[in-house]
Amino acid sequence: TQLLEQSPQFLSIQEGENLTVYCNSSSVFSSLQWYRQEPGEGPVLLVTVVTGGEVKKLKRLTFQFGDARKDSSLHITAAQPGDTGLYLCAGGRNTGNQFYFGTGTSLTVIP
Amino acid sequence: DAMVIQNPRYQVTQFGKPVTLSCSQTLNHNVMYWYQQKSSQAPKLLFHYYDKDFNNEADTPDNFQSRRPNTSFCFLDIRSPGLGDAAMYLCATSRDQAYYEQYFGPGTRLTVT
Repeated sequence: TQLLEQSPQFLSIQEGENLTVYCNSSSVFSSLQWYRQEPGEGPVLLVTVVTGGEVKKLKRLTFQFGDARKDSSLHITAAQPGDTGLYLCAGGRNTGNQFYFGTGTSLTVIP
Repeated sequence: DAMVIQNPRYQVTQFGKPVTLSCSQTLNHNVMYWYQQKSSQAPKLLFHYYDKDFNNEADTPDNFQSRRPNTSFCFLDIRSPGLGDAAMYLCATSRDQAYYEQYFGPGTRLTVT
């Protein structure tokens, strides 16, 4: 059983559409990160959220950390083909020095 | 630019022939990690070094070993690669404890023939 479940697992949309990816857990995290990974490359850190209810924006990407720090969402507005990739959430817990990746969401944006 | 560098980007080895993958970092981070990733799955942590302290994940096979001779370099040794070890191997660093952001290298794609 994965500690962090992402949904959907796969997503294929047309250019210009909006989408939301969810990262859910029953556990509380000290911080949560979102990464994007393009084929054949390593994950690239997009954002870190640490405060319950926190919202961060990165151009067309909006990240939110749940009030209870157990879940997060990533919303992309007007998706572009360059947004294609594997999106990974990851949570850190300072108790026991633990770090967990989510199950991943593979996004394809069709021109 | 400060970064995490992995060499080689692509490695082909034969079944059972030892192979070493290398990672270097210019971030001066205390923690270095090795992950295994298979097609479109999340990376799976193999082990990490907090400074010189080695931390092995419970389910990491004995076939995988690691060395960190200094702060900047870390190596992944696969003693007898099997076909199931073909994967992308990712090196990552973090400034301090595991819950800080991790910064990844570009990965080494390992093929076992």
